[in-house]
Amino acid sequence: GAVVSQHPSWVICKSGTSVKIECRSLDFQATTMFWYRQFPKQSLMLMATSNEGSKATYEQGVEKDKFLINHASLTLSTLTVTSAHPEDSSFYICSVRTGMSSTDTQYFGPGTRLTVL
Amino acid sequence: GQNIDQPTEMTATEGAIVQINCTYQTSGFNGLFWYQQHAGEAPTFLSYNVLDGLEEKGRFSSFLSRSKGYSYLLLKELQMKDSASYLCAVGDYKLSFGAGTTVTVRA
Repeated sequence: GAVVSQHPSWVICKSGTSVKIECRSLDFQATTMFWYRQFPKQSLMLMATSNEGSKATYEQGVEKDKFLINHASLTLSTLTVTSAHPEDSSFYICSVRTGMSSTDTQYFGPGTRLTVL
Repeated sequence: GQNIDQPTEMTATEGAIVQINCTYQTSGFNGLFWYQQHAGEAPTFLSYNVLDGLEEKGRFSSFLSRSKGYSYLLLKELQMKDSASYLCAVGDYKLSFGAGTTVTVRA
């Protein structure tokens, strides 16, 4: 399977500031990565699909101007939470799918816990 | 869209067997995945079903009935380390996840 890393593991920031989260595919060139958000005791909610070299595809209800996604290379996607507020505090997880077939598994990064004060 | 239902919590004794059910209604189906997620960690892949029937992988087995929109994950010979949340997910290229079933294994 693919090995996926995220940085930072956790971050605390003040309300109104911006936070950048990195997702790296360490052993697989990923043309597509996925960004999820998970609130406590809830399931993973897909936020957006990150496409290398093109614009991300956002799910309904996710503000693209607030959650900026950049996928500049086949191994790195970044999610920037702009003007973060306490309600943005959550567990953000990225994933890589190793192919386009429905049989290809998604592999998840370790997650980034964001706390906005 | 996708509608995925799982029980919220289950408790079992070490060494026992637990079955976690998942029902789904989906506009398109290309496979059903089960993931394990320990508290504060990212999900890890457990199993995948695309055809009807039982897939066995050591202590874990997963079953799928596409006509019934139903799957279950069977955990055998439970160990304390199996205490975690188990997520059912369906979809094709993009996955939709159920809310997860928290399994607590007691000594």
